[in-house]
Amino acid sequence: DIQMTQSPSSLSASVGDRVIITCRASQSISSYLSWHQQKPGKAPKLLIYAASSLQSGVPSRFSGSGSGTDFTLTISSLQPEDFATYYCQQSYSTPITFGQGTRLEIK
Amino acid sequence: EMQLVESGGDLVQPGGSLRLSCVASGFTFSDHYMDWVRQAPGKGLEWVGRIRSKVHSYITEYAASVEGRFTISRDDSKNSLYLQMSSLKTEDTAVYLCGRLDYHYMDVWGKGTTVTVSS
Repeated sequence: DIQMTQSPSSLSASVGDRVIITCRASQSISSYLSWHQQKPGKAPKLLIYAASSLQSGVPSRFSGSGSGTDFTLTISSLQPEDFATYYCQQSYSTPITFGQGTRLEIK
Repeated sequence: EMQLVESGGDLVQPGGSLRLSCVASGFTFSDHYMDWVRQAPGKGLEWVGRIRSKVHSYITEYAASVEGRFTISRDDSKNSLYLQMSSLKTEDTAVYLCGRLDYHYMDVWGKGTTVTVSS
């Protein structure tokens, strides 16, 4: 199975901050990487697919980069509604695997 | 609006069975592969399994942790996805979510239904 390691596991930041979350795969997954946002009691939301493509309707302050084994999610200027938990997911092969999540909290 | 709504979650004893449903609306359900994902209390997301579309013979795949105990099926005439769970264990306690795949990516998610396995 492909292991996905996210860092940090939690992060405190302020509105307006630039935030970077990283995700590392245990083997190459090409660009089969997506990022999802989850808020308590809500359905997860796809933000980025194919490592760097912005899902329709997602604000442009979200961006993704990387290929192979190393990936990043960047939020250029944090907004109040961005405080949530973020997961990376590889879809290169089954079993599909997720990172352990990054909880983004208000400082 | 594309939507997925899960139902069927309940409290069940270890060794018991349960069937979850996921009803789709707002898109052509039959065109898409569908996944089940679960989230144990306070934990991250865990993939449970997948069913392909009719064009791809409704092939199913499962996580090792549920293989042989869980069965995924679908009824395209009812825009519905199912997860039949048997021989349930306490570690199966989780919120179960369904998700639509667009190409390789899960682009529509439900909110989930809660399964509690406890005596």
